[in-house]
Amino acid sequence: QMTQSPSSLSASVGDRVTITCRASRNIRSHLHWYQHKPGKAPKLLIYETSTLQSGVPSRFSGSGSDIEFSLTISSVQPEDVATYYCQQSFLTPLYAFGQGTTLEI
Amino acid sequence: EVQLLESGGGLIQPGGSLRLSCTASGFSFSDYAMSWVRQAPGKGLEWVATSAVSGTERTFSADSVKARFFVSRDNSNNTLYLQLSSLGAEDTATYFCARNSGPYGGTQGDYFDTWGQGTLVTVSP
Repeated sequence: QMTQSPSSLSASVGDRVTITCRASRNIRSHLHWYQHKPGKAPKLLIYETSTLQSGVPSRFSGSGSDIEFSLTISSVQPEDVATYYCQQSFLTPLYAFGQGTTLEI
Repeated sequence: EVQLLESGGGLIQPGGSLRLSCTASGFSFSDYAMSWVRQAPGKGLEWVATSAVSGTERTFSADSVKARFFVSRDNSNNTLYLQLSSLGAEDTATYFCARNSGPYGGTQGDYFDTWGQGTLVTVSP
């Protein structure tokens, strides 16, 4: 079970925002973050807790360990409007996703 | 450029069957595990099934679709398939094809590094 919070948030351009993902059990560092815009392909942002996927802007960062993880956008931009999902790959059921966090500007 | 293109979605009656396809380009398809992930209307992402590289014959599927959905691949045509059967309203969703980060699937640390835009399956009378 992966629990994200908040389920939605509203921010202004330039704000720093943080999304949290909590696992029901220790998943070590096997936590990944995706961005999904309506009608588009989901996009990998961060893998293994904190490694930025190639091409992803440096305003995105990830941290955490064991059961508590976070995704931070240091300065929100209009193009960051999307739903963000965490996903674990340590426990069964395989590839469990969080319920998503919708970011509005 | 790595690309995944899904096709085969549509309107299907309850109890019916459908086959989805995902055509890959821009990478060595046979070197990667490949997966299907779905999103029901207004809901989040749900992993459906994974096909490991050929030779391992390993496939995995979610309990919610086990024995109804079957994933397969044709490396000669760079195509991933998902055979859906005994469809119900709960299977209505956009189905995304995704490339796994490694060849075997189901491994610790595995994630989806490339996704397609999805194909919509609607199950309705």
